[in-house]
Amino acid sequence: QLQLQESGPGLVKPSETLSLTCIVSGGSISSGSYYWGWVRQPPGKGLEWIGSIYYSGSTYYNPSLKSRVTISVDTSKNQFSLKLSSVTAADTAVFYCARHTSWLGGMDVWGQGTTVTVSS
Amino acid sequence: QPVLTQPPSVSGAPGQRVTISCTGSSSNIGAGYDVHWYQQLPGTAPKLLIYGNSNRPSGVPDRFSGSKSGTSASLAISGLQAEDEADYYCQSYDSSPSGWRVFGGGTKLTVL
Repeated sequence: QLQLQESGPGLVKPSETLSLTCIVSGGSISSGSYYWGWVRQPPGKGLEWIGSIYYSGSTYYNPSLKSRVTISVDTSKNQFSLKLSSVTAADTAVFYCARHTSWLGGMDVWGQGTTVTVSS
Repeated sequence: QPVLTQPPSVSGAPGQRVTISCTGSSSNIGAGYDVHWYQQLPGTAPKLLIYGNSNRPSGVPDRFSGSKSGTSASLAISGLQAEDEADYYCQSYDSSPSGWRVFGGGTKLTVL
């Protein structure tokens, strides 16, 4: 079955760029009408949608993060990536990648999550 | 401040029925956008529990049900079990200002 796996540094310095990759296995990132997204969860807090991408490269971002976020897709490697620039301690969170079944659909497959701490 | 409002906590005894509300506005739930619900067990990734307001993915027990009316939605859990103790989040789409996916603040369900 489809599986998602996040990867990337667990520690990022303030003002630097956080970079994560989500590797998709068990299915093609280019198939169907699926969108691929990123969600984060600060310690002890709720979920926040960061943004999503379609395999064609069309991107959609949370307005509050849009100026710092870039999501890209590499169909040849069956993966998509997140870059969040100018990070601060407030960006410390568990980051999840997930698939949603359509632009407005539910997020039906999730990665296990990866913790990123912003600290010097 | 989350766009969708949920009660911080609810509780119930085993076997009882509990409901979790999710209140939005005319730019999200009230505009007709679907509501989805997720269950997050401690230390794990969220799991899709209800999609499209009232549909259950394969494998989700029929003890879980969802509904939507006006600018609000609800998740009902009947026959409460100890394993249902988790955080629950609603999620929808908001058209203001430029269209984005929004979550509720989450509700902690405690099984007494």
